[in-house]
Amino acid sequence: QQQVRQSPQSLTVWEGGTTVLTCSYEDSTFNYFPWYQQFPGEGPALLISILSVSDKKEDGRFTTFFNKREKKLSLHIIDSQPGDSATYFCAASHMGYKLTFGTGTSLLVDP
Amino acid sequence: GALVYQYPRRTICKSGTSMRMECQAVGFQATSVAWYRQSPQKTFELIALSTVNSAIKYEQNFTQEKFPISHPNLSFSSMTVLNAYLEDRGLYLCGALGQNTEVFFGKGTRLTVV
Repeated sequence: QQQVRQSPQSLTVWEGGTTVLTCSYEDSTFNYFPWYQQFPGEGPALLISILSVSDKKEDGRFTTFFNKREKKLSLHIIDSQPGDSATYFCAASHMGYKLTFGTGTSLLVDP
Repeated sequence: GALVYQYPRRTICKSGTSMRMECQAVGFQATSVAWYRQSPQKTFELIALSTVNSAIKYEQNFTQEKFPISHPNLSFSSMTVLNAYLEDRGLYLCGALGQNTEVFFGKGTRLTVV
C-alpha cells in the first residue's frame, strides 16, 4: 500500500520562529511532491512543490527539501506568522497523477 | 494565475437523493481532473481520475454507477453523487492537473446528508 507519513501531527511555534514539517514515502516511482496549506472550511491550496530531480526549492518564507536516497522531504517556514496557522499536507505522486496525501500537520503560530 | 472553482460550496441533501457538483479550471488548461473526498478527520480519498478523451479511472470502493463524472473539455468537470447516504458526507475536492505537473484544488463542495 502506498503511504506517505507526515509528522508531527500538531505543532505550536512562536511568532517569528521556524516551523519544520517532515514527510517520508515508500514508493520510489513518486517524483512530484507538493505541499498544501488548508484553512478550516477551505480546500487545500498549493504552497510549494518539488520534483525528484531537485533537492531544494524556495519560495519566499517557504522552503522544501527533498532527499531521494532517504525518501524524505521537509517544509521549512521561516519567520512564522499567526496567519500561517493552518493544516499542512505533504503529498506525493508520479507526475501529478493520483496524489497520495500525508495525514497532515496542524500548525499554530502563537503571537 | 491558476484557479479552480467549485460549486456549490456546500449542499445538504436528503438521504437517498442525488446531488451534482461542478469544477471549472480558470487561467490554465487542466490536462486531467481528479476528484477526491476529504473526510471529517481530514483524510483524503481519491475517487477517480479523469483525462479528456480518455476513460475515467475509478479507484477501489468508488464506481461510475455511484459517482458518474463528466469531463467534456479541458476546463470543466462535473460529478454526481447518486443516492447519497451518511457515509458519503465530506468535502469533495476537484484537483486539476496543469501542464507543468502542479495540481490545483478548488475550495471544495461540502456535502451534508440528512
